[in-house]
Amino acid sequence: GENVEQHPSTLSVQEGDSAVIKCTYSDSASNYFPWYKQELGKGPQLIIDIRSNVGEKKDQRIAVTLNKTAKHFSLHITETQPEDSAVYFCAHLSVRGTYKYIFGTGTRLKVLA
Amino acid sequence: DTGVSQNPRHKITKRGQNVTFRCDPISEHNRLYWYRQTLGQGPEFLTYFQNEAQLEKSRLLSDRFSAERPKGSFSTLEIQRTEQGDSAMYLCACLDPVPNEQFFGPGTRLTVL
Repeated sequence: GENVEQHPSTLSVQEGDSAVIKCTYSDSASNYFPWYKQELGKGPQLIIDIRSNVGEKKDQRIAVTLNKTAKHFSLHITETQPEDSAVYFCAHLSVRGTYKYIFGTGTRLKVLA
Repeated sequence: DTGVSQNPRHKITKRGQNVTFRCDPISEHNRLYWYRQTLGQGPEFLTYFQNEAQLEKSRLLSDRFSAERPKGSFSTLEIQRTEQGDSAMYLCACLDPVPNEQFFGPGTRLTVL
């Protein structure tokens, strides 16, 4: 099982509110979980990541939590701003005999001014 | 700008034609990935290189697809006898092993008519 499920597929929030995106994976050997932001016409850009030896990581308005037992991890954006509007992808690193990244299907976040 | 460049940015071709894309990664990054991204989906792993060695190819990569990285620097992805189903964004990424961060290029958008 290499798949990763991501929810919701779309999310609209008012400026200043928080946004939460959740992902579930199945590969128990995964040990690295990055989140990417993709703006129109650009490649994905890493915004935060977490390794399996920690449960939470925060960088200013962005935080990621990891529950290895339940195999899910979440992205939290607080005090959202219009420039946070983009598509967000979770991913995990599959290390079963290989070294490849498996991406979720994406969440389109719209921050309403 | 991540430092990863891809050319061309857009390619329109007729079904049955061959196309070739190029990726120029950050020079110090020895691992290079190719992904395909269709509308509303996350990037799908196609193949990756460690220096000039191609270490893994996805089942998505039919025999019409071939990738090379002859000197361990730039890489090319060729699609022979293109089909309409090949229409997608083709993304290249290179990896900084410390701290495990992928840097994506802007992608090449292929349209097969």
